[in-house]
Amino acid sequence: DIQMTQSPASLSASLGETVSIECLASEGISNDLAWYQQKSGKSPQLLIYAASRLQDGVPSRFSGSGSGTRYSLKISGMQPEDEADYFCQQSYKYPPTFGAGTKLELK
Amino acid sequence: EVQLVESGGGLVQPGRSLKLSCAASGFTFSNYYMAWVRQAPKKGLEWVATISTSGSRTYYPDSVKGRFTISRDNAKSSLYLQMNSLKSEDTATYYCAIFRYGYFDYWGQGVMVTVSS
Repeated sequence: DIQMTQSPASLSASLGETVSIECLASEGISNDLAWYQQKSGKSPQLLIYAASRLQDGVPSRFSGSGSGTRYSLKISGMQPEDEADYFCQQSYKYPPTFGAGTKLELK
Repeated sequence: EVQLVESGGGLVQPGRSLKLSCAASGFTFSNYYMAWVRQAPKKGLEWVATISTSGSRTYYPDSVKGRFTISRDNAKSSLYLQMNSLKSEDTATYYCAIFRYGYFDYWGQGVMVTVSS
């Protein structure tokens, strides 16, 4: 199985600060990567797929980048509603696997 | 609006069975692969099963293969997960989701399953 290593496990950011979360795959995944946001007590929501494509309705302050084994999610200007857990997921090979998650809090 | 509503969760003893259901609306259910994903308390996400549009193809991770069965009824726009020989490590919130291009597009609100004596 492809292992997804996410970092950091947690971070706090001030209002308006730019935040970056990283995901490292155990082998190349050819941009077959998604990012999900899960707010407290809610189900996950797809933010980004194919490494950099924004899901409909997701604010443009969210962006994804990367290639090969290294990928990142950037939030350009932290907002209160961005406080959540974030997970990456590879879809390159079965089984689909997730990173352990990053807890993002507002400072 | 896409809606996925899970039901059937609860407390069950180890070794027993439970069947989850997911009622879908707001989209043409028969056109999409569907999946179940679970999340143990305060833990990460784990894919549990995927089913093709017709139901003829199913996929499972080793952790549930042989114990869990995913199925669907396109006429009723419903997805199911039959869980047998349940173990304590199956305790989790179970989500049904639309599975498209390898990603989990939309998720239900989840249903809690607790396996304990």
